[in-house]
Amino acid sequence: DADVTQTPRNRITKTGKRIMLECSQTKGHDRMYWYRQDPGLGLRLIYYSFDVKDINKGEISDGYSVSRQAQAKFSLSLESAIPNQTALYFCATSDSEGRAFTDTQYFGPGTRLTVL
Amino acid sequence: RKEVEQDPGPFNVPEGATVAFNCTYSNSASQSFFWYRQDCRKEPKLLMSVYSSGNEDGRFTAQLNRASQYISLLIRDSKLSDSATYLCVVNPPFSGGYNKLIFGAGTRLAVHP
Repeated sequence: DADVTQTPRNRITKTGKRIMLECSQTKGHDRMYWYRQDPGLGLRLIYYSFDVKDINKGEISDGYSVSRQAQAKFSLSLESAIPNQTALYFCATSDSEGRAFTDTQYFGPGTRLTVL
Repeated sequence: RKEVEQDPGPFNVPEGATVAFNCTYSNSASQSFFWYRQDCRKEPKLLMSVYSSGNEDGRFTAQLNRASQYISLLIRDSKLSDSATYLCVVNPPFSGGYNKLIFGAGTRLAVHP
């Protein structure tokens, strides 16, 4: 079984709908991240969490919210989806042994979201 | 200017060829550097970290040039399985309230028989 899983893997929705993307991990890592990837652009950080009680905004958090339900679960919500949120979304984890963001990041398989 | 820039490619090379990619970064105080590999429609995976003294892992060699602010990845004896997009990743100094990774858009490599 994969260490980092994401559901759904693909989703097509309409403008204005609320969408939740879920991420679960069995690696036992404290740190979890949400990124989006757009063609021609690098991955961009949306939110990150260093433990259950620690949630932080990344560089493009507007229009998104997150919930860290447990150490192993980190969900991303689009409260009212818009077409420019069409992208490939990745969840990632890393352990807390090293300096944050320089640990190896382990990515989930991604969720391809299309907002019509 | 983008914080991390890569030639998008594609680099089309025959099996057995040697190919090199460069990546430039804008923040001279950046501290850590990595190459990630991403197969088509899959998740990125760490290929190797890049150390100041350069480092090698089998057919892959990574170099850092701080003076010119670029890192490089050299692949020798290319295999078909090396076909992928290679992401340059840089860890700039702590700023904006958090320590983050900056991902380049990637360089696509296509190895053909």
